[in-house]
Amino acid sequence: DAGITQSPRHKVTETGTPVTLRCHQTENHRYMYWYRQDPGHGLRLIHYSYGVKDTDKGEVSDGYSVSRSKTEDFLLTLESATSSQTSVYFCAIMANPGNEQYFGPGTRLTVT
Amino acid sequence: TQLLEQSPQFLSIQEGENLTVYCNSSSVFSSLQWYRQEPGEGPVLLVTVVTGGEVKKLKRLTFQFGDARKDSSLHITAAQPGDTGLYLCAGFRNNAGNMLTFGGGTRLMVKP
Repeated sequence: DAGITQSPRHKVTETGTPVTLRCHQTENHRYMYWYRQDPGHGLRLIHYSYGVKDTDKGEVSDGYSVSRSKTEDFLLTLESATSSQTSVYFCAIMANPGNEQYFGPGTRLTVT
Repeated sequence: TQLLEQSPQFLSIQEGENLTVYCNSSSVFSSLQWYRQEPGEGPVLLVTVVTGGEVKKLKRLTFQFGDARKDSSLHITAAQPGDTGLYLCAGFRNNAGNMLTFGGGTRLMVKP
């Protein structure tokens, strides 16, 4: 158990509304990641963080922003949700560079 | 085209049968990981292989890393219904930041 929680676990929102997903870890890991998972695409990296206030873009970052003001929290924001952002979102941590990643339980987001 | 190609995408077999899942790339990875994901949950790490030619066993699961560290395989002996799930391979490259690249996944169903 890597001590990762995500909130909310499920959310339905309307097109054009802002949405923020939260990832919380209890073990002080430096690296945190946000992925989305869609049928036929596997897991795709949205953004990641390598420390407080240090973030970088992943493969599918358009339409998403992130913030990390504390080691334990990594927030993913959809500024104006679109139907193409309907997906399951996973947060993950990596204990050290090159090590394995451990995933949270996921957030299922539906944009209507 | 994904950097890591998994095959087959879907596999439905009877309990007791053997199967092999493949993860292939034209890129070299410093390590490769296999995850299993069950519905409604995040991926769970099964194994990491780091040395070309390395073989690791986890009960009835055998993982192999290719000699050139570009490919990997997962072999399951005498599959059981509890093996049902989505199997994901993910590779780590030293010159690609602290990011994992995921394959598209193999969805396995083992029928009793």
